[in-house]
Amino acid sequence: GQQVMQIPQYQHVQEGEDFTTYCNSSTTLSNIQWYKQRPGGHPVFLIQLVKSGEVKKQKRLTFQFGEAKKNSSLHITATQTTDVGTYFCAGMNSGGYQKVTFGTGTKLQVIP
Amino acid sequence: GAGVSQSPSNKVTEKGKDVELRCDPISGHTALYWYRQSLGQGLEFLIYFQGNSAPDKSGLPSDRFSAERTGGSVSTLTIQRTQQEDSAVYLCASSARTGGGQFFGPGTRLTVL
Repeated sequence: GQQVMQIPQYQHVQEGEDFTTYCNSSTTLSNIQWYKQRPGGHPVFLIQLVKSGEVKKQKRLTFQFGEAKKNSSLHITATQTTDVGTYFCAGMNSGGYQKVTFGTGTKLQVIP
Repeated sequence: GAGVSQSPSNKVTEKGKDVELRCDPISGHTALYWYRQSLGQGLEFLIYFQGNSAPDKSGLPSDRFSAERTGGSVSTLTIQRTQQEDSAVYLCASSARTGGGQFFGPGTRLTVL
């Protein structure tokens, strides 16, 4: 079945440093979504990418969908303590039943 | 309502008892998902509804777990004969269409003693 892996599993950065998490699918995706879960909270939808090679920005966050639509990345510029949390990608497969599979998540800790 | 709501927010039960968890999705959202999340872990998919039907029940851990959705709206997840390993946060999410962004409820924290 479809698997979605994220690396790294954990990341500690100094406030002000950049951060990137990578998402890799075993199958081609029709779209990729990104979510953020703050400690003690529930996942919050951030963005959806659909097109091959698509890049979208939300303030300090840059999201990218790979050309082959099997991988994606989230880059945060100049991290702040408010960026702390776990970032999940979720991919929808491109054939048959449109199943959405969540990635394993990357937990980000920002050191002030 | 403005968002997805779940009830109860916390449930403590004794091993062997049945529990019922409720999810009220965003009005008009046709897709509804149930997930389970243990402390510090990722999201474990349980079941997905499109309208009132469940095309994907593949994540239900055992036949003690069942779910239904009525009127294309409210969904209930039932766990029979609860076990200690069922302790987790149960999250519900809805989306306007299959494959769209999912909007999560606050979850139900289930503790089985």
